Order: sequence, then C-alpha cells, then structure tokens
Amino acid sequence: GENVEQHPSTLSVQEGDSAVIKCTYSDSASNYFPWYKQELGKGPQLIIDIRSNVGEKKDQRIAVTLNKTAKHFSLHITETQPEDSAVYFCAAPSSRSSGSARQLTFGSGTQLTVLP
Amino acid sequence: DGGITQSPKYLFRKEGQNVTLSCEQNLNHDAMYWYRQDPGQGLRLIYYSQIVNDFQKGDIAEGYSVSREKKESFPLTVTSAQKNPTAFYLCASSIGSRTRQETQYFGPGTRLLVL
Repeated sequence: GENVEQHPSTLSVQEGDSAVIKCTYSDSASNYFPWYKQELGKGPQLIIDIRSNVGEKKDQRIAVTLNKTAKHFSLHITETQPEDSAVYFCAAPSSRSSGSARQLTFGSGTQLTVLP
Repeated sequence: DGGITQSPKYLFRKEGQNVTLSCEQNLNHDAMYWYRQDPGQGLRLIYYSQIVNDFQKGDIAEGYSVSREKKESFPLTVTSAQKNPTAFYLCASSIGSRTRQETQYFGPGTRLLVL
C-alpha cells in the first residue's frame, strides 16, 4: 500500500519567516495530494491540495509543489504568523482505494510553532 | 467543520462498556470515514462506507463496529473488545467519486477517555 513519510516532525520559525514541510510517497500512480491544518482539539481542515497534472499551486501565503519524478511534495508557508501555529498533515491516495470511498494515507504530522 | 457534526465532544467509557460516537453530515456526500488519532501520530482508518448499507474495514477495525442506515449518518461503536480505546476519533466525508480522488472533510472530533 501507499507509504507517506513527513518531515520534519517539529518546526519552529520566527514570525515573518518561511516554513517548509516535505512529504514523500511510494505509489507512482498517486495523483492527489492534500494538506490539512489541525489546531489543538479540533478536526483537520483542508488548506490546499494539488493534483498530479500541475507542479505548483498557490493560495495567498500558502503554496504546494509537486515533484512526480522524485515522488515528493512540499508545503510552503511564507510570512508566517502566530496563528499559523498548528499541526500540519499531508496525505496521498491509498493504493487500496476502490469504489467511491477513495482512501487517503496520512503523514505523521508536523507541529509548526511560529515564535512572535 | 464543513457541515459535519460529531457528538459528544468528550466521552467516558467504563471497563466492559460499549459506547457509540455519532457522526452526521449535511453535505449530501456518499462516502464517509472514521479515523483514530493518537497523540503525536497521524490518522489511522478504522472503517469507511461508500454508500448506504455498505461499509468496509480499514487498517484498525478490530474492536469497532459501524452502521450506515442513512446517507447522512455513520455512527461508530467502540466495543469492550477494544482494549486501548483512549484516542481522538475523527469522522470525515467526501463526495464519493469512482473516477478520481475527492477532498475529505472532517468533523470536530470526539475525545474518548477510559475511566
């Protein structure tokens, strides 16, 4: 099945600096890569996603890049703010997906702390 | 939380007791999922359902059971067979496409604690 590895597990940055979180996946057929932000005690919220027909996608201060050859994708947050502090998860489609309930395999998460 | 509600927010279980976690969605999604999250770890799939009256085991189904009698509801029962149930439980749903991966939307979660 799909294996998703996420690094780093913790990341501290100064307010205003950039943060980068990287994930690698194993299934070359994977074609959809979402990123979720989870605040303490809450459910994950989708912040950005990318499909394999593009190499980069931006939404204001957030961007995701995809390298299909190397099988990795990264989340970039620029001009970080204290409210960006949260746990971020990447995901990729599970190779066991079937039917209409297409499963995701999640990375282990990155605790991002933005220091004021 | 994208139209997905979970209740209760906190749940306490006694030894040998079965407890049921509620998940309701008003997004008209066909597919629904249950995940377990342990501290410092990612999400692990317990059960999923493609359509009403259908569900499949995920990676860690032992000690859990589900039902899908209505499109908008996917309750999870944590049985006494689950020896380590303390965790944060997350319900999710997606449109349900047979041709491409669609976004999963998550509820706010239920924290289950053992007394």
